[in-house]
Amino acid sequence: NAGVTQTPKFRILKIGQSMTLQCTQDMNHNYMYWYRQDPGMGLKLIYYSVGAGITDKGEVPNGYNVSRSTTEDFPLRLELAAPSQTSVYFCASSYSAGAGPYEQYFGPGTRLTVT
Amino acid sequence: EDKVVQSPLSLVVHEGDTVTLNCSYEVTNFRSLLWYKQEKKAPTFLFMLTSSGIEKKSGRLSSILDKKELSSILNITATQTGDSAIYLCAVERGSTLGRLYFGRGTQLTVWP
Repeated sequence: NAGVTQTPKFRILKIGQSMTLQCTQDMNHNYMYWYRQDPGMGLKLIYYSVGAGITDKGEVPNGYNVSRSTTEDFPLRLELAAPSQTSVYFCASSYSAGAGPYEQYFGPGTRLTVT
Repeated sequence: EDKVVQSPLSLVVHEGDTVTLNCSYEVTNFRSLLWYKQEKKAPTFLFMLTSSGIEKKSGRLSSILDKKELSSILNITATQTGDSAIYLCAVERGSTLGRLYFGRGTQLTVWP
């Protein structure tokens, strides 16, 4: 299993541009998440999904959009990029059964710079 | 407002030392506390602690949850240079299953 994969690994955007960060997992996990991590800080949840067709906002959703059309894929869309969105973005997934989800598995991250 | 606070923020030790990392939390409807290790890339899972599993151990690493004090510690004995990493603590609420609230992390550096 490849686990959680993310593309691209690095990207530089100009202010006002848009892009999509791709995330795919092959573990048949029903829960998927997007986090951002700023230098010296912990991870902040942007959006998450408990299954195909279901998404919800996290702590810092402004400026982002998501969709979940399949179990495997959970792309994150940045519209009108701003310097404040310069960060490292992590996608994660987890399996939920019975009392709730188990531990989250993280992808390798995408380092995004907006200038 | 829910809070997860880790201390210290950074720590430098020599190989062979024992370290204790702290995590305190203030969240409503606590469900679980998780520890992750992050080495320059993606966080990797270490432990999950819940009301039914307040102590975990794996090799030189161990963790305890104190629900009365709303805190957890992560102990690493006989540290090695490979233990150098950021250690992240995260808390899950029962009302929002799957959503994790992370602390800022403790940067551990182990010198040979």
